[in-house]
Amino acid sequence: SSELTQDPAVSVALGQTVRITCQGDSLRSYYASWYQQKPGQAPVLVIYGKNNRPSGIPDRFSGSSSGNTASLTITGAQAEDEADYYCNSRDSSGNHLGVFGGGTKLTVL
Amino acid sequence: QVQLVQSGAEVKKPGASVKVSCKASGYTFTGYYMHWVRQAPGQGLEWMGWINPNSGGTNYAQKFQGRVTMTRDTSISTAYMELSRLRSDDTAVYYCARDLTAMVTSFYFDYWGQGTLVTVSS
Repeated sequence: SSELTQDPAVSVALGQTVRITCQGDSLRSYYASWYQQKPGQAPVLVIYGKNNRPSGIPDRFSGSSSGNTASLTITGAQAEDEADYYCNSRDSSGNHLGVFGGGTKLTVL
Repeated sequence: QVQLVQSGAEVKKPGASVKVSCKASGYTFTGYYMHWVRQAPGQGLEWMGWINPNSGGTNYAQKFQGRVTMTRDTSISTAYMELSRLRSDDTAVYYCARDLTAMVTSFYFDYWGQGTLVTVSS
């Protein structure tokens, strides 16, 4: 399967920890990357590979993976973290194709 | 600094074609694969394909096979995405996105263009 599945919506209280998950067969073979997208803006890479953060991404963002599930964890969520989050990976077909999850809307209460 | 600057919004009629450009600066254009991703209004991200700017090699999502063509002009560090036989459901913001890893496809997209809105309407 080339699909990645995400929960449509998740909420977290300000300052608490939240985990956003992404499931798919390809994640057994490849690491996911995670993107934050705010309304009217282009996506921003927040996590890639095993658990790498691009320069400028706060260390409250972390990634992990187990079996067919990749997770993005925000430890101490801030109001500015409210956004849509998308996972991405390569397709498991071996044909060097990409695939995105459907996205998770994160609400910070 | 790395920048990807895309062409402006387009309005097209069903059945027409559209060509979106993505001008890169701040890095060696031929050293990094370029991907194209689209987002329909209120919907999620959809990966369309990639181009290797060095060789011109391409790979497209099956959904777009036969309708999409990705090209590049290395003399002006610009990638192009052309979509033909447009339908109303092709209305979307189209993004170019640079692959993070030099010379291979990691599918980690570290820099994105600002997006180009393509509206398909009769």
